[in-house]
Amino acid sequence: DAKTTQPNSMESNEEEPVHLPCNHSTISGTDYIHWYRQLPSQGPEYVIHGLTSNVNNRMASLAIAEDRKSSTLILHRATLRDAAVYYCILSTDTGNQFYFGTGTSLTVIP
Amino acid sequence: NAGVTQTPKFQVLKTGQSMTLQCAQDMNHEYMSWYRQDPGMGLRLIHYSVGAGITDQGEVPNGYNVSRSTTEDFPLRLLSAAPSQTSVYFCASSSGQHNSPLHFGNGTRLTVT
Repeated sequence: DAKTTQPNSMESNEEEPVHLPCNHSTISGTDYIHWYRQLPSQGPEYVIHGLTSNVNNRMASLAIAEDRKSSTLILHRATLRDAAVYYCILSTDTGNQFYFGTGTSLTVIP
Repeated sequence: NAGVTQTPKFQVLKTGQSMTLQCAQDMNHEYMSWYRQDPGMGLRLIHYSVGAGITDQGEVPNGYNVSRSTTEDFPLRLLSAAPSQTSVYFCASSSGQHNSPLHFGNGTRLTVT
């Protein structure tokens, strides 16, 4: 199974940008990088995904290193509603076996 | 669209009892999966299915059975519940392409006493 490494926790001040890092040194050429977040007492929800190029959507941006061994989820302006656990996951083309680690718990300080 | 629907939301079982956690999706997704989440931990994959009639094991399959007789439904069965199976269970589905996002249900909180 493809592995990722994330910091256990991070803090951010409200209305400031947040950069959540993820290392995936064993990524293969066809693995997609996915990010999900889990709000308290809810199921995970999809945030963003990408393969090689940086990606933007209404929720966040995904910056992928040129060698694809790391990526960063960028929340441009953190709000209190962004406090959640963020998971970085690799998906392989051999099957949809998404393996979740323990993620990064983001605290947003008012 | 309801998305992914899990029932029940809460369940308490005694050791040795059996039960089925239900999961249904109305998005015509080929891929469905079950995860468990223990306190302070991430999600661990129990079983998954890439289409009707096809199932396979994930990281922690022991003590759980699944079947996939229709595209819409993917029930998870506990034949003889144990306290170690106390957890929150999440069902997820996707279209089956490996660049497709997973859609999760709201979970079933199971306590085994």
